[in-house]
Amino acid sequence: EIVLTQSPGTLSLSPGERATLSCRASQSVTSDYLAWFQQKPGQAPRLLIYGASNRATGIPDRFSGTGSGTDFTLTITRLEPEDFAVYYCQQYGSSPNTFGQGTKLEIK
Amino acid sequence: QVQLQESGPGLVRPSGTLSLTCTVSGGSISSTNWWTWVRQPPGKGLEWIGEIFPSGITNYTPSLKSRATISLDKSRNQFSLKLSSVTAADTAVYYCVRDKGGLDYWGQGTLVTVSS
Repeated sequence: EIVLTQSPGTLSLSPGERATLSCRASQSVTSDYLAWFQQKPGQAPRLLIYGASNRATGIPDRFSGTGSGTDFTLTITRLEPEDFAVYYCQQYGSSPNTFGQGTKLEIK
Repeated sequence: QVQLQESGPGLVRPSGTLSLTCTVSGGSISSTNWWTWVRQPPGKGLEWIGEIFPSGITNYTPSLKSRATISLDKSRNQFSLKLSSVTAADTAVYYCVRDKGGLDYWGQGTLVTVSS
């Protein structure tokens, strides 16, 4: 099974700043089938990015995904107050699908 | 707009069987998507449990494969999860999710507590 390691565990930034979140896979992710999710307290996760770089429906363009193979990045330019949440990456190219452990983006 | 809603007991006894159903509305469960279960223990991260395709093909995470069964009821537009021999470690919020090349539609989640 593919293990996904996210870094950092916690990221402290201010509104208006740029956030860079990393997801590293223990082996190459098939066809770059890598997704990113945002989760706020008490809510279900929301799909942000699929296929490593494709924004899901309704996701603002300040969210972008890059990377391939084993190294992937989620970038959020110009942080808004509603962006502070926990972010998870997930690979769905190899069964079993697996999630990273999450990165908490908190207000500095 | 596709909507998913989990239902089932919120409390299960240790060694018992957890049974949850997901009702899909706004779309057909027979469409070419995978239907997935994900869980999240309190205060922890997400765990992918398994999935089912309309043809009946299933995949499970290895750590739960011996205890989990996912099935489909096309007549009711529902899919279900059964998890046997539960322990306190199975206490979690359980989500049903549509996978259309990405987990795009999620249920609100239901907390299942394993306790005597």
